[in-house]
Amino acid sequence: DIQLTQSPSFLSASVGDSVTITCRASQGISSYLAWYQQKPGKAPKLLISAASALQSGVPSRFSGSGSGTEFTLTISSLQPEDFATYYCQQFNTYSFTFGPGTKVDTK
Amino acid sequence: EVQLLESGGDLVQPGGSLRLSCAASGFPFSSYAMTWVRQAPGKGLQWVSAISASGGRAYYTDSVKGRFTLSRDNSKNTLYLQMNSLRAEDTAIYFCAKDSMNTVTGSFQQWGQGTLVTVSS
Repeated sequence: DIQLTQSPSFLSASVGDSVTITCRASQGISSYLAWYQQKPGKAPKLLISAASALQSGVPSRFSGSGSGTEFTLTISSLQPEDFATYYCQQFNTYSFTFGPGTKVDTK
Repeated sequence: EVQLLESGGDLVQPGGSLRLSCAASGFPFSSYAMTWVRQAPGKGLQWVSAISASGGRAYYTDSVKGRFTLSRDNSKNTLYLQMNSLRAEDTAIYFCAKDSMNTVTGSFQQWGQGTLVTVSS
């Protein structure tokens, strides 16, 4: 299986900050990477697919980039509703895997 | 509006069986692949199984192969996950999710709220 790592595991930030989360794959996955946001007690929400394709209704302060083995999710100006856990997920092979998650908490 | 409503979660003993259901509405169910993803308490997400829109192709993570069976009834707009030989490590919230196409792509566009499966004696 393709393994995904995320850094950092935990991120402390303030409203208005720009934050970046990195996801690395154990082997090349082209652009077959998605980012999800999950709040406590809620289902995950798809933010970005195909590494950089923003889903309908997702604010433009979210952006994704990368290909191959290294990817980033950037939130350009953190809003109160953005404090959550973020997961990357690869869909390059029919054994989809998620990263361990990055929790974004208030400083 | 897409709605996915999971049901069937329960407390079951190790070695037991359970069938989860996911009732879909708000979209043409028979046109989309579907998937199950689980989350153990306090842990991350793990993909479990996916099925094509027609039901002709199903995929499983290694740890559930031979124990879980994914199926769908397009006439009832419902997805099913039959879970046999349950283990403690299967304890999790199980989410069903809608894929982006009729074939399994792994891009999970909308999710239900989940149903809790607890495997314990």
